[in-house]
Amino acid sequence: NAGVTQTPKFQVLKTGQSMTLQCAQDMNHNSMYWYRQDPGMGLRLIYYSASEGTTDKGEVPNGYNVSRLNKREFSLRLESAAPSQTSVYFCASRRTGTGDRNTIYFGEGSWLTVV
Amino acid sequence: KQEVTQIPAALSVPEGENLVLNCSFTDSAIYNLQWFRQDPGKGLTSLLLIQSSQREQTSGRLNASLDKSSGRSTLYIAASQPGDSATYLCADGGAGGGADGLTFGKGTHLIIQP
Repeated sequence: NAGVTQTPKFQVLKTGQSMTLQCAQDMNHNSMYWYRQDPGMGLRLIYYSASEGTTDKGEVPNGYNVSRLNKREFSLRLESAAPSQTSVYFCASRRTGTGDRNTIYFGEGSWLTVV
Repeated sequence: KQEVTQIPAALSVPEGENLVLNCSFTDSAIYNLQWFRQDPGKGLTSLLLIQSSQREQTSGRLNASLDKSSGRSTLYIAASQPGDSATYLCADGGAGGGADGLTFGKGTHLIIQP
C-alpha cells in the first residue's frame, strides 16, 4: 500500500523559475492538503481540497496554485519561485467523517531550495 | 483562530523513564486531537487520534488524553526507549467534520539517552 506519494523528493530552483510538486494517494480519500514546514514555524497549511473539484486557501497561499486533477491527485505549483519558498513541502490526505477513518496520512516530503 | 502550543520544545531523558508531552489549544470546539511522530527527514506518522467525545486513547506504551474544558492534551510514553527519539506533534483536527486542514503545534523534540 503506497499511501501518499509525492514527487520530486529534492529540487533546487533558481529565483523566478516555476515548478510543480505532484501528489497522489491510493486510499480513496476525499480530502487532500499541502503543507510547508519551516524551522520555528511548524507546519502551515498552504491549500486544501475538501473533495474532488474543490480547492481552498489555507494559512499561507500566496505564491502558490493548486489543482485537484482527480480524486487521487493534488498538485502544487510555484509560478515564480522566491527564496522565501525554500522549505519542506508535505502532501497529506484523509477521509473526512467520524472515528479513526479521519486519520490523516502524510507523504515523505519534498525538499525545495530556491537560490 | 485556533492556536496549538507544545511545551517543552525539547526534552532529553534517560532510557526507561516515563514521560509526558504537553499540548494546549485555545479553542475547545475541536473535532478531534491527533498526535504524530516525525523522524528526521521523514513525513509525519499518526500515533493516536482522540475524538472530541473521548477522554483518552491508548496504543502500546503510548497513552493520549484530552481535556477540552482546560484546552489540554497530553501524550504519555511509558518505559521510554532510544527508538522513541523523534519530534512529536499534536494537531487540532479542525471543526465541522474536518475537511479543512489540521492546526499543528510546533512540536516537542524528544531525545532518549541510552
